[in-house]
Amino acid sequence: IAGITQAPTSQILAAGRRMTLRCTQDMRHNAMYWYRQDLGLGLRLIHYSNTAGTTGKGEVPDGYSVSRANTDDFPLTLASAVPSQTSVYFCASSEGGGGNNEQFFGPGTRLTVL
Amino acid sequence: GQNIDQPTEMTATEGAIVQINCTYQTSGFNGLFWYQQHAGEAPTFLSYNVLDGLEEKGRFSSFLSRSKGYSYLLLKELQMKDSASYLCAVRDSNYQLIWGAGTKLIIKP
Repeated sequence: IAGITQAPTSQILAAGRRMTLRCTQDMRHNAMYWYRQDLGLGLRLIHYSNTAGTTGKGEVPDGYSVSRANTDDFPLTLASAVPSQTSVYFCASSEGGGGNNEQFFGPGTRLTVL
Repeated sequence: GQNIDQPTEMTATEGAIVQINCTYQTSGFNGLFWYQQHAGEAPTFLSYNVLDGLEEKGRFSSFLSRSKGYSYLLLKELQMKDSASYLCAVRDSNYQLIWGAGTKLIIKP
């Protein structure tokens, strides 16, 4: 059982380039999330999806887009990367958005934008 | 604004007990979570509180006081493997998690 996988593990990217971070879960969870984690700051929500076919904006959505074509996949796209998007990106999923539904996290993608 | 406060770093001795505090101010409250995150790894779930009181799970316990906007995570019989960051998160009125910056716990022999 893989849980949640993310790809790539790490990436160095030139500013202005387009990049898609991939996230796949095999738990049939309804909800999925993208966070970024920066030193000294808490995890910040970029985008989320409560169910396949729907997406919503989190706390820091600018410069990022997502899609949720099916239950398993939730890719995050940086249309034109900037150095401030250097961060560790975590994808997470949960069975639902409420109650005691914990979020399960993928291993993360370490992105450096030069 | 929404705010979650935790100490940045704590040090404790192997075998001892440590309490990590978390205070929060959020728009609404729909539960509080504690996660553990080892360096370079993903966060993993530890506990969930939605009602006032203490939830015990093995060596770890978590307490919540909604009226005070306060929670703590209690770790007993500390082991070296408990060296990690501990993240407090509150689910707000939009059912999104608001995260603290985390408390880095250093365990010394």
